[in-house]
Amino acid sequence: AQKITQTQPGMFVQEKEAVTLDCTYDTSDPSYGLFWYKQPSSGEMIFLIYQGSYDQQNATEGRYSLNFQKARKSANLVISASQLGDSAMYFCAMREGLTGTASKLTFGTGTRLQVTL
Amino acid sequence: GAGVSQSPSNKVTEKGKDVELRCDPISGHTALYWYRQSLGQGLEFLIYFQGNSAPDKSGLPSDRFSAERTGGSVSTLTIQRTQQEDSAVYLCASSLYRVGASGKSPDTQYFGPGTRLTVL
Repeated sequence: AQKITQTQPGMFVQEKEAVTLDCTYDTSDPSYGLFWYKQPSSGEMIFLIYQGSYDQQNATEGRYSLNFQKARKSANLVISASQLGDSAMYFCAMREGLTGTASKLTFGTGTRLQVTL
Repeated sequence: GAGVSQSPSNKVTEKGKDVELRCDPISGHTALYWYRQSLGQGLEFLIYFQGNSAPDKSGLPSDRFSAERTGGSVSTLTIQRTQQEDSAVYLCASSLYRVGASGKSPDTQYFGPGTRLTVL
């Protein structure tokens, strides 16, 4: 069963606008972590933001915020004030198990974001 | 500080040859992971090492794939008798694994630039 689902293969957003990238997940483990990574055309995976399953508040990192809706099993990434440099592939990923235990990441298929003038 | 480094950045090989891919993790990171990214399969986990524990090899696609981590640092991924379907970008990541870590210590995996493997 697919554990991470990203239903938007591609998205367009105008510069300075906000955009939401969708991610839903499936797990029976009560302890898990959700991550978003950015992969520009250069290929390197860049960590953006993390949300733990027990975190009470939505994570924020600068222009990135994570809209975590646990009951709906969704962890959408919100990018505010989009910039041309935000054009990239974005991957949602999940780690199952407690923080402090090394565990593999399961990735979604990604969303390609294009920021336009 | 220095990030995860991988070498070579590109590797072209002929079908049937063996290849070795190298990963240098972030200094002090105790966990090291290998993933593969291909057009058809997306991002797939291959193997991870954590401290002195036995590695989790559950993602290795066949017995042609193996990996080792020497001295708790550098890792080498070896693919024997390469096939065309092995063509992909091989990504290495490392994280700081700590027992009992909590709060904002999610063992975030930091990735290297990858090795693009092309099997002719």
